[in-house]
Amino acid sequence: NAGVMQNPRHLVRRRGQEARLRCSPMKGHSHVYWYRQLPEEGLKFMVYLQKENIIDESGMPKERFSAEFPKEGPSILRIQQVVRGDSAAYFCASSREEQPALGYTFGSGTRLTVV
Amino acid sequence: SQQGEEDPQALSIQEGENATMNCSYKTSINNLQWYRQNSGRGLVHLILIRSNEREKHSGRLRVTLDTSKKSSSLLITASRAADTASYFCATRGAQKLVFGQGTRLTINP
Repeated sequence: NAGVMQNPRHLVRRRGQEARLRCSPMKGHSHVYWYRQLPEEGLKFMVYLQKENIIDESGMPKERFSAEFPKEGPSILRIQQVVRGDSAAYFCASSREEQPALGYTFGSGTRLTVV
Repeated sequence: SQQGEEDPQALSIQEGENATMNCSYKTSINNLQWYRQNSGRGLVHLILIRSNEREKHSGRLRVTLDTSKKSSSLLITASRAADTASYFCATRGAQKLVFGQGTRLTINP
């Protein structure tokens, strides 16, 4: 079991470009969560998805950001027309149940740099 | 906001000493979790304590929870250099984990 896989590990985009961040949850996990972390800060919740459904997107900006978790394939966090303020580490976590007894499993993150 | 807040923000101790980090939160919770993050890496789940539990142990880790004070503490005993990391508490609300700002722990050899 390879754990939660995120790619790419590092992503550099110019202002105005699109960023696509991928997250493959652990095998058997159908709950996916995306968090954003700015330097020296904690993780800020963005969105919670189950297969083909967005359950809670209260932490995601209304514009330019979108997320999906299709029936097949990884979860995708998409940021359109990136700005310098989007530079951050984006972490994905997964769980088998909505309230896992052993906590969430996190990926190693994607570090987005907007130049 | 249900966000947990850790205290202190930074802690530096000598190897072998005990490290205590505190977390306060604002609303009712189902459980509280502690995670560790090494520099540049993802978070690793350490321990989960349910709202009806008061204390939990795992190896050198001891977690307490006081729901009346809405606070938790994480104690790492006999610290090692490898314990150097940031430690986050996270409270479980309706559907998501909400993280605090973290405590940066440095263990000096």
